[in-house]
Amino acid sequence: SQQGEEDPQALSIQEGENATMNCSYKTSINNLQWYRQNSGRGLVHLILIRSNEREKHSGRLRVTLDTSKKSSSLLITASRAADTASYFCATVPTGANSKLTFGKGITLSVRP
Amino acid sequence: NAGVMQNPRHLVRRRGQEARLRCSPVKGHSHVYWYRQLPEEGLKFMVYLQKENIIDESGMPKERFSAEFPKEGPSILRIQQVVRGDSAAYFCASSPTARADTQYFGPGTRLTVL
Repeated sequence: SQQGEEDPQALSIQEGENATMNCSYKTSINNLQWYRQNSGRGLVHLILIRSNEREKHSGRLRVTLDTSKKSSSLLITASRAADTASYFCATVPTGANSKLTFGKGITLSVRP
Repeated sequence: NAGVMQNPRHLVRRRGQEARLRCSPVKGHSHVYWYRQLPEEGLKFMVYLQKENIIDESGMPKERFSAEFPKEGPSILRIQQVVRGDSAAYFCASSPTARADTQYFGPGTRLTVL
């Protein structure tokens, strides 16, 4: 079963709007990471939040982590057409080596 | 500063042939991870290697798949007697240490089995 489960599966918004994507996971974690994948390309690391952190910012990105609910959210503010991509959350379980466990991803479309 | 390099970027094989996928990690990185992405799916961990050692192969199919990361040269993911179900994108990632926070991903190899 998936460790990370994102929702919604697909999201379509207008340029300038905010996009919120959610991720839930099952086991305790060391950290949770969000990645972006443009169509047919590799993954780009966006942001990492550790298990003892609750919120983190990076530019237009804001990620939150609620370990009691085993969930995280990624907020992209003031979206741009260039943000159109698939977004994945990935977790590193507690005590594991660094292998990442990915969800199925969210397809974000930003309409110009 | 070259990132993770993978080749070939696209590979077409007929059923029963062998596929060899290569990954050169970021210079100085000695930890390599292979992931597979099926169409419309997320990435699934396959194997984690350190130079000359397989650390974790819990995601590798039991048969036909093997991986190595020799002392010199790239990491190789080898798929013998490919079947249509092996068609996927295979991504390699590297990190400088065993518990590094960030893995650096290559562009992937897209394998198509005819």
